[in-house]
Amino acid sequence: KAGVTQTPRYLIKTRGQQVTLSCSPISGHRSVSWYQQTPGQGLQFLFEYFSETQRNKGNFPGRFSGRQFSNSRSEMNVSTLELGDSALYLCASSLGSGGARGDYEQYFGPGTRLTVT
Amino acid sequence: GENVEQHPSTLSVQEGDSAVIKCTYSDSASNYFPWYKQELGKRPQLIIDIRSNVGEKKDQRIAVTLNKTAKHFSLHITETQPEDSAVYFCAAKSGGSYIPTFGRGTSLIVHP
Repeated sequence: KAGVTQTPRYLIKTRGQQVTLSCSPISGHRSVSWYQQTPGQGLQFLFEYFSETQRNKGNFPGRFSGRQFSNSRSEMNVSTLELGDSALYLCASSLGSGGARGDYEQYFGPGTRLTVT
Repeated sequence: GENVEQHPSTLSVQEGDSAVIKCTYSDSASNYFPWYKQELGKRPQLIIDIRSNVGEKKDQRIAVTLNKTAKHFSLHITETQPEDSAVYFCAAKSGGSYIPTFGRGTSLIVHP
């Protein structure tokens, strides 16, 4: 079974521009979560999508948005980029269905390294 | 929402020693506690997890313990090896959530 994939792997943008990142989950996984990782800040949760609906949201400004398609692929968009947005953006997929046992295991993609200059 | 504290932020040990990383959580209804290992330049990978109906789980040299009363859980690595050097993240999933909240990570350095 193919793992989580993210494109592009590296990106350099200029302040003020906008960017779109893509994440393809493991086949059969319906939940996709996005995280921002910067040195010393751990994994900051951005949002989670399940069946094309945003189910959870972290404490990031409205410049950060996302969506999920019917095939569970997800995109994340950052508008009006700032220098502080430079980070590794990770997505993670899971079955996300809950239930008695709970299918919560998350599998991470390789990340997109965004540099804002 | 859930809040997870992780300590220490950096841990340096000699090869062969044991390493212990501790996490506390705030939501007494949390029921799922995964641990992830992230090697330099790589993605976080799930190494072990525990659910709230279990007090301890082992997998070769790693083990996780859970104390629900005190709301803390720990990762234990025995006979550490240089390849154990990585950042380790703990996480806790509260009862009303579908995804876990992560701790800030512990950088483990194993000196040969």
